[in-house]
Amino acid sequence: GAGVSQSPRYKVAKRGQDVALRCDPISGHVSLFWYQQALGQGPEFLTYFQNEAQLDKSGLPSDRFFAERPEGSVSTLKIQRTQQEDSAVYLCASSTGTPPSTDTQYFGPGTRLTVL
Amino acid sequence: GQQVMQIPQYQHVQEGEDFTTYCNSSTTLSNIQWYKQRPGGHPVFLIQLVKSGEVKKQKRLTFQFGEAKKNSSLHITATQTTDVGTYFCAGPNYGQNFVFGPGTRLSVLP
Repeated sequence: GAGVSQSPRYKVAKRGQDVALRCDPISGHVSLFWYQQALGQGPEFLTYFQNEAQLDKSGLPSDRFFAERPEGSVSTLKIQRTQQEDSAVYLCASSTGTPPSTDTQYFGPGTRLTVL
Repeated sequence: GQQVMQIPQYQHVQEGEDFTTYCNSSTTLSNIQWYKQRPGGHPVFLIQLVKSGEVKKQKRLTFQFGEAKKNSSLHITATQTTDVGTYFCAGPNYGQNFVFGPGTRLSVLP
């Protein structure tokens, strides 16, 4: 595709509900990152995939957060039993390189999650 | 863990004035990246610096990587209203993750 796409763009969930956020990276990009961005803050790293392998998940805030990229392309970030503090924009980024020399990270438009 | 700080947090300038944002890392970086995020948008890659003391220019934007590879700066000459947004620096952390600074929000008054 032309760029990184994410769906849905907006998600409203009631506290306690499970949500799934999808990321379609640029075709052929090896690296895929998930970030969480709170209002007025910089993106905070959540997890990193190199192809289908999840090589770093040190940024996932709790065991309620789970990410996968089973075929090395599309990735899903799942949040179980959502809490109000999970409200944020979730950004996905992909790149051709691998850390630490990833070169350009192309970001998707993000999914704005609001937990009521 | 690694910390990346940016100053100032906010900067308001009159159109035509210059602007500089500074980025400081608590650890030495193998490279540093700069991103721009327009209001309501997503981060867009501007540049990557790799070498100690490196200076790169993109039209009115000048990027510098410190000699110790722990700090960086972005300077915009003669700001325009199209420069409005938040500028983030980011660097690789241990392992495979990236640390973003908190950003400098630039507003340009016409």
